[in-house]
Amino acid sequence: ETGVTQSPTHLIKTRGQQVTLRCSSQSGHNTVSWYQQALGQGPQFIFQYYREEENGRGNFPPRFSGLQFPNYSSELNVNALELDDSALYLCASSPGRGAQETQYFGPGTRLLVL
Amino acid sequence: AQKITQTQPGMFVQEKEAVTLDCTYDTSDQSYGLFWYKQPSSGEMIFLIYQGSYDEQNATEGRYSLNFQKARKSANLVISASQLGDSAMYFCAMREGKIGNQGGKLIFGQGTELSVKP
Repeated sequence: ETGVTQSPTHLIKTRGQQVTLRCSSQSGHNTVSWYQQALGQGPQFIFQYYREEENGRGNFPPRFSGLQFPNYSSELNVNALELDDSALYLCASSPGRGAQETQYFGPGTRLLVL
Repeated sequence: AQKITQTQPGMFVQEKEAVTLDCTYDTSDQSYGLFWYKQPSSGEMIFLIYQGSYDEQNATEGRYSLNFQKARKSANLVISASQLGDSAMYFCAMREGKIGNQGGKLIFGQGTELSVKP
């Protein structure tokens, strides 16, 4: 039991819509990272939040945005959904930003864009 | 550029035997962490084992051990006494010590699908 939870577990949207995915970090963790995993691929880094501030961003367009709240939970927002946004979205929390900090993942949200 | 390479798309192992999953990495940083995760068909990434770049001894966690060869930039996962429940996708990942833009992200390989035969 990692303690990281995500909601919803599954989601179906149509192209052009907007979606918000939620993540509750493990107790004591101040860093949350989001990843997109397309079918048959390894996860790709979207962005990371550390103490409510964005700490890094991968090669994703601005329509992917996020927030981290004072309790360190986080949201991932995707605007103007495209078919290629269909993927498993994984949230991970860690005690800090260092290289030695293990990221613990939630169960993921499966998004299907039609 | 940072990169993780897993050259085995799929592996088969007989139950109760040991198996080695290969992973090589590329980084110019001195400080980094190497991780292995297991992903069953349910999708959740399960942390297995961690090796720091300055650790002199190979990491072990129960039936999992990491064969860390720093000069060769390899971090192979060894699973001893395979069980049917070990059948899953396995990902090698690296995290660098940078703080700032893209600092702290995990870089994943393409994964190895392990099938354990009874």
